[in-house]
Amino acid sequence: AQKITQTQPGMFVQEKEAVTLDCTYDTSDPSYGLFWYKQPSSGEMIFLIYQGSYDQQNATEGRYSLNFQKARKSANLVISASQLGDSAMYFCAMRGTDSWGKLQFGAGTQVVVTP
Amino acid sequence: DAGVTQSPTHLIKTRGQHVTLRCSPISGHKSVSWYQQVLGQGPQFIFQYYEKEERGRGNFPDRFSARQFPNYSSELNVNALLLGDSALYLCASSRTGGPREQETQYFGPGTRLLVL
Repeated sequence: AQKITQTQPGMFVQEKEAVTLDCTYDTSDPSYGLFWYKQPSSGEMIFLIYQGSYDQQNATEGRYSLNFQKARKSANLVISASQLGDSAMYFCAMRGTDSWGKLQFGAGTQVVVTP
Repeated sequence: DAGVTQSPTHLIKTRGQHVTLRCSPISGHKSVSWYQQVLGQGPQFIFQYYEKEERGRGNFPDRFSARQFPNYSSELNVNALLLGDSALYLCASSRTGGPREQETQYFGPGTRLLVL
């Protein structure tokens, strides 16, 4: 069984500062994918970044980067130069080799960016 | 290109009623997945359909059913609604051409269902 844990229910961050959102996972799949999504108050889940379990380098997408530590089973999201529009819920999710369509989500972290 | 679309955006039903939610995937995507997101929680997987066949099912009762049409759009049906079915229902589409663990799912805006 797969499990995703996000231990930070909420965080405040000042505009232009960097913030790290924690995500740990547990799986027995030899190959898996890790995803981060952003959910504004409107409800739509917006894909941010993907990390494959066999990727040698940490994924980056613009201001988003993923600190992937496979041995520790962690995949923390780093948002650099926070903007007011970054205020949202952030979800870490995982998908295994045999998981047809099934993304396993964590409980999420609420980020509030302050001026 | 248009993203994933869902209809309706909001819905109010009473206990015992039936509801049908609709989803159109991104053009070129052949797979649709459905998720239920109860307030304050992460989304929970309900179904995945690929090429009109059910490929995965989450831990939901038989009151939940779905289907996919030849144009790859999908419907989620819920019978005998309970108060606990009140949630945001999210549809996601993916291309399905490579290794499953790599495939990104793109979500629609969701349907907010309130059961009274």
